[in-house]
Amino acid sequence: EPEVTQTPSHQVTQMGQEVILRCVPISNHLYFYWYRQILGQKVEFLVSFYNNEISEKSEIFDDQFSVERPDGSNFTLKIRSTKLEDSAMYFCASSTDRDSNQPQHFGDGTRLSIL
Amino acid sequence: RKEVEQDPGPFNVPEGATVAFNCTYSNSASQSFFWYRQDCRKEPKLLMSVYSSGNEDGRFTAQLNRASQYISLLIRDSKLSDSATYLCVVTRAKYNQGGKLIFGQGTELSVKP
Repeated sequence: EPEVTQTPSHQVTQMGQEVILRCVPISNHLYFYWYRQILGQKVEFLVSFYNNEISEKSEIFDDQFSVERPDGSNFTLKIRSTKLEDSAMYFCASSTDRDSNQPQHFGDGTRLSIL
Repeated sequence: RKEVEQDPGPFNVPEGATVAFNCTYSNSASQSFFWYRQDCRKEPKLLMSVYSSGNEDGRFTAQLNRASQYISLLIRDSKLSDSATYLCVVTRAKYNQGGKLIFGQGTELSVKP
């Protein structure tokens, strides 16, 4: 079964540094998402991306965050100047534009630790 | 008020028990409803979609009451492998419109031998 893949599985970064999280969505999917989950808290939506532009973003997704689809396969989340509170699991997801019993497929996440 | 609220857990049950999870959502514009399952520090995985008529998948039964904005999940004959956190999820979009998923905080289930 096709999968969403994310790299790295764990990223440790000094506060203030830039970090790029990478995702390869399922190849025929057209909608891409980033979510995050702070330890012990709920999964929170960050941003959705369709047709090479952001379609929706949450309040969390401020100017420090950006997303890009640099080629036909990768979908990246960049955090420009990381803060301690950015420490979380970051999940990428993708979906098709057809009716499906699985609306969004999730990758297994990147654990981001800010020191 | 949280957009999706679930029973606070954890639920500790013996194998073979029947357990029910409740969820309410606040936004009447919500269109699609799901139960996801999340194992410790893993990604959410779709357990089942929830339809207005109610639906069943083996030991799992989901119900939706749009009038009271209430969703439920019933697990019968619980197994050790059912131990996980169960996430109630809604979206304001239909399947094919790429809407964001809105998660509840989850209810942890621990099934004991």
